[in-house]
Amino acid sequence: GQNIDQPTEMTATEGAIVQINCTYQTSGFNGLFWYQQHAGEAPTFLSYNVLDGLEEKGRFSSFLSRSKGYSYLLLKELQMKDSASYLCAVGSSGGSYIPTFGRGTSLIVHP
Amino acid sequence: DAGITQSPRHKVTETGTPVTLRCHQTENHRYMYWYRQDPGHGLRLIHYSYGVKDTDKGEVSDGYSVSRSKTEDFLLTLESATSSQTSVYFCASGTGDSNQPQHFGDGTRLSIL
Repeated sequence: GQNIDQPTEMTATEGAIVQINCTYQTSGFNGLFWYQQHAGEAPTFLSYNVLDGLEEKGRFSSFLSRSKGYSYLLLKELQMKDSASYLCAVGSSGGSYIPTFGRGTSLIVHP
Repeated sequence: DAGITQSPRHKVTETGTPVTLRCHQTENHRYMYWYRQDPGHGLRLIHYSYGVKDTDKGEVSDGYSVSRSKTEDFLLTLESATSSQTSVYFCASGTGDSNQPQHFGDGTRLSIL
């Protein structure tokens, strides 16, 4: 089975940097996804990590450490529109590809 | 975008009635998934499909059934709705490759009174 843990809620100030952590325990690891979900909308893909290290994509970066079962999403130069839930999803190896989602972190950006 | 649509977007019904939610995708994705999303629980998998007529249960499948008669369509049925099934339901599709993201529909908000 898989267990994924994220903080429930975080707050930050516009223009600042915030780091959202995700820890996981899985019987087999096959990559980690981050999704963004605005209130009342569908989750949308942000990033994918399968190897250790940092993947940078504009204002958003995602880091993975497979040995520690740990990932984080780093959001720079925060904007009000970044207020959303951020979902971490881990895929396990073998058989059908069925990712497991964490409960999501609700980020509130204040002016 | 994956071109995935759900219908209806909102539904209110009574306990004990049957309910069917429809998901339609135009990307020829092999895999399709039904999730429910509730406060404090995140996205939980109900059922998924890995091909036409090939389906399997997720972690919260009790009280739900699915059917996939065509690649593009995946139906979720609540045979006899209960108030505990009030939720937001998301459909997703994907290639099934571990390095490819899922694409989600806009969700169906279902209220069972």
